[in-house]
Amino acid sequence: ELKVEQNPLFLSMQEGKNYTIYCNYSTTSDRLYWYRQDPGKSLESLFVLLSNGAVKQEGRLMASLDTKARLSTLHITAAVHDLSATYFCAVDLEGSGTYKYIFGTGTRLKVLA
Amino acid sequence: GAVVSQHPSWVICKSGTSVKIECRSLDFQATTMFWYRQFPKQSLMLMATSNEGSKATYEQGVEKDKFLINHASLTLSTLTVTSAHPEDSSFYICSARVELAGEQYFGPGTRLTVT
Repeated sequence: ELKVEQNPLFLSMQEGKNYTIYCNYSTTSDRLYWYRQDPGKSLESLFVLLSNGAVKQEGRLMASLDTKARLSTLHITAAVHDLSATYFCAVDLEGSGTYKYIFGTGTRLKVLA
Repeated sequence: GAVVSQHPSWVICKSGTSVKIECRSLDFQATTMFWYRQFPKQSLMLMATSNEGSKATYEQGVEKDKFLINHASLTLSTLTVTSAHPEDSSFYICSARVELAGEQYFGPGTRLTVT
């Protein structure tokens, strides 16, 4: 059974600090997506990672993908309060002739002022 | 571009009634649409995958007779929750993709409360 696990599940950090969220998955895939979700809202696309070694950066967030290790990371640099949200990774899998996302468990981030 | 809408954004219904949720791709034609359910403080769980003009493919454990999905056109999919019960209360999110293996674009979600 495919598993997509995120670590940590909860993260409370001070403003200005750095931290990394990990997304591990248990089967082969070279497409992985990161999303942000604010309370009561739907998903906001952050990064699209489509190959081994892909690295994308936007503002204080940087995402990378290592398909051999089946690992993606979301690195937060100098966190600010506005980054408080829940972050999900999603692995795109092929099965029965179609592709579908399997979402990670989510990481709830709280940035303290 | 790549905007997906859902209607309604929230709905309250009485136990035993049916509720229909619409998902539309506004500026593109979607080869595939997906329906997810999300309970509070949990991740998104895929309920079903639908392609225009064909029957939806339901994930294991999802009751196809309870959650009716119709994908009438390349821009519209509907989810009907039949004989809703309080345990069906959840946040329902749809998504759509253009290409077979392309990125999914997510709708704003529909919050269903069954009383």
